[in-house]
Amino acid sequence: NAGVTQTPKFQVLKTGQSMTLQCAQDMNHEYMSWYRQDPGMGLRLIHYSVGAGITDQGEVPNGYNVSRSTTEDFPLRLLSAAPSQTSVYFCATGGGTGLYGYTFGSGTRLTVV
Amino acid sequence: DQQVKQNSPSLSVQEGRISILNCDYTNSMFDYFLWYKKYPAEGPTFLISISSIKDKNEDGRFTVFLNKSAKHLSLHIVPSQPGDSAVYFCAAYNTNAGKSTFGDGTTLTVKP
Repeated sequence: NAGVTQTPKFQVLKTGQSMTLQCAQDMNHEYMSWYRQDPGMGLRLIHYSVGAGITDQGEVPNGYNVSRSTTEDFPLRLLSAAPSQTSVYFCATGGGTGLYGYTFGSGTRLTVV
Repeated sequence: DQQVKQNSPSLSVQEGRISILNCDYTNSMFDYFLWYKKYPAEGPTFLISISSIKDKNEDGRFTVFLNKSAKHLSLHIVPSQPGDSAVYFCAAYNTNAGKSTFGDGTTLTVKP
């Protein structure tokens, strides 16, 4: 049982390049989300989805794009990477009420130079 | 406007003693509160939660207390163990919005 799988684990990009961070889950959860964590800061919500075909913006959506064509996958696209997007990115899924919390992937550490 | 605040960036305690981590929130619409633990190079893991209609929830060595009038919650770890050393995030969940808001985290160090 893999849970939530994120790829790649590490990535270095040049300013202006684009890339896709992958997130896949095998827990059959409807809710999926992307967070970024910067040093000394908490987790800030980028985008989230409550089911296939439905996505919405979080608190820091600029520069990122998402789609949700299946229950299992929720990729995050960086359209034109900027140094301010250097961060650790976490994908999270949730299956029920707020009482049970989210299951997080192990993260993608992204550096934009 | 930070809706969930953890005012102590770090906490150091001796093994066997109690660890108390604090969290304040501003939005009355939150109806669940959660604590997550995060080790370096790993994703956060869910630890314990509490509904807004409760004032205490206990799970083994971990107890979460909620004071709604003060908009304050705390996580007690008794007794603390070196393996508890990690970053602890407080989170608040709004059912209507369908999403969680996280604090900045508190780094707990338990010394042997």
